[in-house]
Amino acid sequence: GAGVSQSPSNKVTEKGKDVELRCDPISGHTALYWYRQRLGQGLEFLIYFQGNSAPDKSGLPSDRFSAERTGESVSTLTIQRTQQEDSAVYLCASSLVAGDNEQFFGPGTRLTVL
Amino acid sequence: GESVGLHLPTLSVQEGDNSIINCAYSNSASDYFIWYKQESGKGPQFIIDIRSNMDKRQGQRVTVLLNKTVKHLSLQIAATQPGDSAVYFCAETPMDSSYKLIFGSGTRLLVRP
Repeated sequence: GAGVSQSPSNKVTEKGKDVELRCDPISGHTALYWYRQRLGQGLEFLIYFQGNSAPDKSGLPSDRFSAERTGESVSTLTIQRTQQEDSAVYLCASSLVAGDNEQFFGPGTRLTVL
Repeated sequence: GESVGLHLPTLSVQEGDNSIINCAYSNSASDYFIWYKQESGKGPQFIIDIRSNMDKRQGQRVTVLLNKTVKHLSLQIAATQPGDSAVYFCAETPMDSSYKLIFGSGTRLLVRP
């Protein structure tokens, strides 16, 4: 079946611009996660959505970062006034239920801020 | 603070040999420890997990060992194959937020033909 998809696969932007990254989770998965992965490093948790519950935004690095999810479907991660340190791969994952250790990851969006 | 790290950044093994990837963790209040595999250009893929009250768990060609005394986690891969070449991450889930994966920095496994 279809896995987690993300778009765009690559995004190059200029410092100060806003960007919007999209994630389509696996159908039926109630939990959705966003992570950031800097070059050669592990993944940093950003935000978690579970059904209609309030999201856990504790990993967002600054108020320039925000995310939304419509029901149990698509999610968008928005970065306002991008900075060079925002350059990274942004990965989305979904899982069938909350707390499931097997999270299914998309291929990521590689963001480059010039 | 919470952190998960790895001893060896790169591991090179001969095809057919067994591989052992190690990980140290600092947070004793973790519920699960998990191993993920990430191939180039792809998102991480779940391999196996182990609950904090267990010492060993086996999967298909993989075994995870947990030593809580020294806060050490390892992943053993039997009969390593070229397709096992990837970066391997250990991760943990805090007991108070079990949905959140805290990842280490990764070990690259290279399999020589």
